Amino acid sequence: AQSVTQLDSQVPVFEEAPVELRCNYSSSVSVYLFWYVQYPNQGLQLLLKYLSGSTLVKGINGFEAEFNKSQTSFHLRKPSVHISDTAEYFCAVSDLYGGSQGNLIFGKGTKLSVKP
Amino acid sequence: NAGVTQTPKFQVLKTGQSMTLQCAQDMNHNSMYWYRQDPGMGLRLIYYSASEGTTDKGEVPNGYNVSRLNKREFSLRLESAAPSQTSVYFCASSVEGGQGYNEQFFGPGTRLTVL
Repeated sequence: AQSVTQLDSQVPVFEEAPVELRCNYSSSVSVYLFWYVQYPNQGLQLLLKYLSGSTLVKGINGFEAEFNKSQTSFHLRKPSVHISDTAEYFCAVSDLYGGSQGNLIFGKGTKLSVKP
Repeated sequence: NAGVTQTPKFQVLKTGQSMTLQCAQDMNHNSMYWYRQDPGMGLRLIYYSASEGTTDKGEVPNGYNVSRLNKREFSLRLESAAPSQTSVYFCASSVEGGQGYNEQFFGPGTRLTVL
């Protein structure tokens, strides 16, 4: 069975500072990895995804994530955050071989709060 | 192209009342999902439909029923609402479930309060 752990439930940061949101996963098979963002009172939208190939993945709004297979991690980073990045971020994993119909398993979320 | 739409956006029910949450997608996706989101719990899968005509239980199916009306529509029914079902409900769809790569597209959500 797969699981996703987001190590920080809340991350406060000042505007223009760098940020890292941490995600670790557990799986007995190869996986696809995703980061979703949820702005206040909205649905989730895909930020970036790792399917294969380069372990450094670039997404929208200047975010990037690095897949580290040995550490089973997929941390999200941004070198300089803006007030508009205030949102909740969810890491998710999907079984490469379609186990459980290839359903997404979500972490519990990290609330990023960017302060002026 | 509206993507995934959900109705209603807000609903207040009394304990024991029933209601149906509606979801529709216009992306010709085969798979559809219902999640609930609770503070500190992330998203938990209630039911999913891998293709038209099939439905399966997810992590938290108790107290819910679903209907895949056609390829576009997937409804979630609460037969006898309970306060524990107070939550934000999200519908999602993907091109093809069961194939590993499963980018899901989400609707805007329904905020349900059960008194």
